[in-house]
Amino acid sequence: KAGVTQTPRYLIKTRGQQVTLSCSPISGHRSVSWYQQTPGQGLQFLFEYFSETQRNKGNFPGRFSGRQFSNSRSEMNVSTLELGDSALYLCASSFDRVAYEQYFGPGTRLTVT
Amino acid sequence: AQSVAQPEDQVNVAEGNPLTVKCTYSVSGNPYLFWYVQYPNRGLQFLLKYITGDNLVKGSYGFEAEFNKSQTSFHLKKPSALVSDSALYFCAVRGDNYGQNFVFGPGTRLSVLP
Repeated sequence: KAGVTQTPRYLIKTRGQQVTLSCSPISGHRSVSWYQQTPGQGLQFLFEYFSETQRNKGNFPGRFSGRQFSNSRSEMNVSTLELGDSALYLCASSFDRVAYEQYFGPGTRLTVT
Repeated sequence: AQSVAQPEDQVNVAEGNPLTVKCTYSVSGNPYLFWYVQYPNRGLQFLLKYITGDNLVKGSYGFEAEFNKSQTSFHLKKPSALVSDSALYFCAVRGDNYGQNFVFGPGTRLSVLP
């Protein structure tokens, strides 16, 4: 089975711009979660989607949003980018919620200048 | 609230020696516990999980972990470390109800010295 794929892998944006990141989960996986990874804050949970519905949301401002499509693919959007948004954004998929392990994509490295 | 602690930022061990990476957790309800490894510039790789049953869980690459409910711990172990085990290790917990998400520990950097 193909793993979780994320596009693009690298992105450079300017403050104030917006960005959309894409994630394709493992085939058959219905749950997709997004995380922000920074050296100082570690892995921070952004949101979780299951069957096109947001099930959980982390403690991030409303500039961070996401959605899931009927084929389980997911996108996250960050509007009005700030320097502090520079991070590795990781997508993870799992077959179902709760007891199932998550499988991670390689991440999108976002740099905001 | 859920939380995960990994008390050691860095663990150094000589190749061939046993290794332990520590993890303690706090969660509402029964815990589902996971270990992940991250190599440089890569996403996280699943190593093993504890859901229920035997307290000693075996996973990928010779790793195992011991669940201790009374100490709320889930330490990762390997009998004989390899240089290639050098990486960043994350412990994660999720409670057994649908309202909870994964919570990851801060990570422990493991260095296996030749």
